[in-house]
Amino acid sequence: QQQVKQSPQSLIVQKGGIPIINCAYENTAFDYFPWYQQFPGKGPALLIAIRPDVSEKKEGRFTISFNKSAKQFSLHIMDSQPGDSATYFCAARDGYSTLTFGKGTMLLVSP
Amino acid sequence: DTGVSQDPRHKITKRGQNVTFRCDPISEHNRLYWYRQTLGQGPEFLTYFQNEAQLEKSRLLSDRFSAERPKGSFSTLEIQRTEQGDSAMYLCASSLRLAGGPDNIQYFGAGTRLSVL
Repeated sequence: QQQVKQSPQSLIVQKGGIPIINCAYENTAFDYFPWYQQFPGKGPALLIAIRPDVSEKKEGRFTISFNKSAKQFSLHIMDSQPGDSATYFCAARDGYSTLTFGKGTMLLVSP
Repeated sequence: DTGVSQDPRHKITKRGQNVTFRCDPISEHNRLYWYRQTLGQGPEFLTYFQNEAQLEKSRLLSDRFSAERPKGSFSTLEIQRTEQGDSAMYLCASSLRLAGGPDNIQYFGAGTRLSVL
């Protein structure tokens, strides 16, 4: 059973565009929702994270929107750049337990 | 570099052989995690340690897999009698969990890519 569903599987945007990646979860015990960025040959790196008591969090060009009632959250990348081309993973954690990851979204930002 | 370090970065082995991977976490981190990542998938949890105690194991961790963290510092993951289905990236992560609080950010290493021929 996949507990965190991520879409789309891949995404191509032009430089300056705003890619949006969506995730949905089922476990209402999840209370921490990070996004990780992974470049080829590297491990995932934390990008931004949110807890369900807020509906939005911004860090630089990255924004998480969170809808607790719908059990959905999304990542927006403002003014995307070719250097943002990577695989993005959403994840969720229930308190003291481990991270459950989505399947990832391959983002390509064309020049 | 004070990040999570994994060794080796790549390992090619023949089916049936045993392999061992090492992970050195960030020095002050008391939690250490092992994940497996296959192509086109997100990392999947295998097991984790708090200091030297192994607190949780995923059902993905078959009897052929064993992990240790003998002194609460580095950890090893051994796979016995490797199978082609074990081919994957094995990721290590570490974090600092303060007493009475939730786990903090997990920092990942670059992983060990295993190819079983």
